[in-house]
Amino acid sequence: DIQMIQSPSTLSASVGDKVTITCRASLSISTWLAWYQQKPGKAPNLLIYKASNLQSGVPSRFSGSGSGTEITLTISSLQPDDFASYYCQQYNTYPITFGQGTRLEIK
Amino acid sequence: EVQLVEFGGGLVKPGGSVRLSCAASGFSFSSYSINWVRQAPGKGLEWVSSINMIGSFYADSVKGRFTVSRDDANNSVYLQMNSLRADDTAIYFCARLAAAGTTPIYYFDSWGQGTPVTVSS
Repeated sequence: DIQMIQSPSTLSASVGDKVTITCRASLSISTWLAWYQQKPGKAPNLLIYKASNLQSGVPSRFSGSGSGTEITLTISSLQPDDFASYYCQQYNTYPITFGQGTRLEIK
Repeated sequence: EVQLVEFGGGLVKPGGSVRLSCAASGFSFSSYSINWVRQAPGKGLEWVSSINMIGSFYADSVKGRFTVSRDDANNSVYLQMNSLRADDTAIYFCARLAAAGTTPIYYFDSWGQGTPVTVSS
């Protein structure tokens, strides 16, 4: 199985900050990676697919980059609604695997 | 509008069984793979199973205990969970694979709200 390691596990930041979350894969996954946002008690919501493609309706302050074994999610200017958990998911090889999550909290 | 609604969760004793359902609407159901993803309390997401028009797939952690099936006439997917253990306790989400057809692996573009399963004596 491909292991996905996210860093950091917890991130404290303020409104207006630029933040980056990194997902590292145990094997190359090319750009077959998606990012999700999840708020407490809710289902995950797709943000980005194929590493850098913004899902329809997702604000442009979210962006993704990278390929191979290291892919990043960047939020250019944090808004109050962005404080949530974020998960990466690889879909290069079965089984589908997720990162362990990054909790983005208000500083 | 794509909608997925799960139901059937609850409290189950270790070794027991439960059947989850996922009812879909708003899209051509038979063309899409539907997956189950679970989330243990306070933990991350774990893919469990998927079913599409060519077959079904399972995580090693549930293989031989869980069975996924679908009823395209009723736009529904089911997860039969047997020999339940405490570590199966989780919220179970159904999720649609973003690509129609026989693609077995992709990302998820629509999720249900989840149904909780608690395995405890």
